[in-house]
Amino acid sequence: EAQVTQNPRYLITVTGKKLTVTCSQNMNHEYMSWYRQDPGLGLRQIYYSMNVEVTDKGDVPEGYKVSRKEKRNFPLILESPSPNQTSLYFCASSPSGINQETQYFGPGTRLLVL
Amino acid sequence: QKEVEQNSGPLSVPEGAIASLNCTYSDRVSQSFFWYRQYSGKSPELIMSIYSNGDKEDGRFTAQLNKASQYVSLLIRDSQPSDSATYLCAVKHYGQNFVFGPGTRLSVLP
Repeated sequence: EAQVTQNPRYLITVTGKKLTVTCSQNMNHEYMSWYRQDPGLGLRQIYYSMNVEVTDKGDVPEGYKVSRKEKRNFPLILESPSPNQTSLYFCASSPSGINQETQYFGPGTRLLVL
Repeated sequence: QKEVEQNSGPLSVPEGAIASLNCTYSDRVSQSFFWYRQYSGKSPELIMSIYSNGDKEDGRFTAQLNKASQYVSLLIRDSQPSDSATYLCAVKHYGQNFVFGPGTRLSVLP
């Protein structure tokens, strides 16, 4: 089944404890993105990647890191999480070519930072 | 600054009516526009994209774009209770940079 997977789906952590949220897609998509969704603010793009080893900042990159060492994986790293990073996080992927703007979203990861 | 605005709703319409959802954007150079549907507790899914001024129809959905006025709208004809969801407007800026609006919650009443 073609899909984007995220792990974990739910996470409770404490301030300052490094964490990684994994994202993997099995559709051979070139492009991948991370978003956070907060009430009243909608989806905000954190980082995106247009290919292996090619990443770029979205609109809210502060406090986050990403890497794209393999085409299928795009992990999101919070080196020192803070309570204002409590949010619902979505990973998305899209193919190159004429459908490059069709994003397929993962199921989401709900993060609570205490 | 890139902004996408939507009325947060909720917008309530009776079953069978036309639901009209609106979106405005601030960046005049934007060329690609999208409507996503998000059911409660689920991830967004793309329902329409539009790139040129005018209307684009797909089944019960019609997207309308007016670049001069910087607005995009989505019409849902013959609304069904299953259309009850939050509708997100999105604008692509450059590369793979997308900006989303806050979403409009639609409730279709049986």
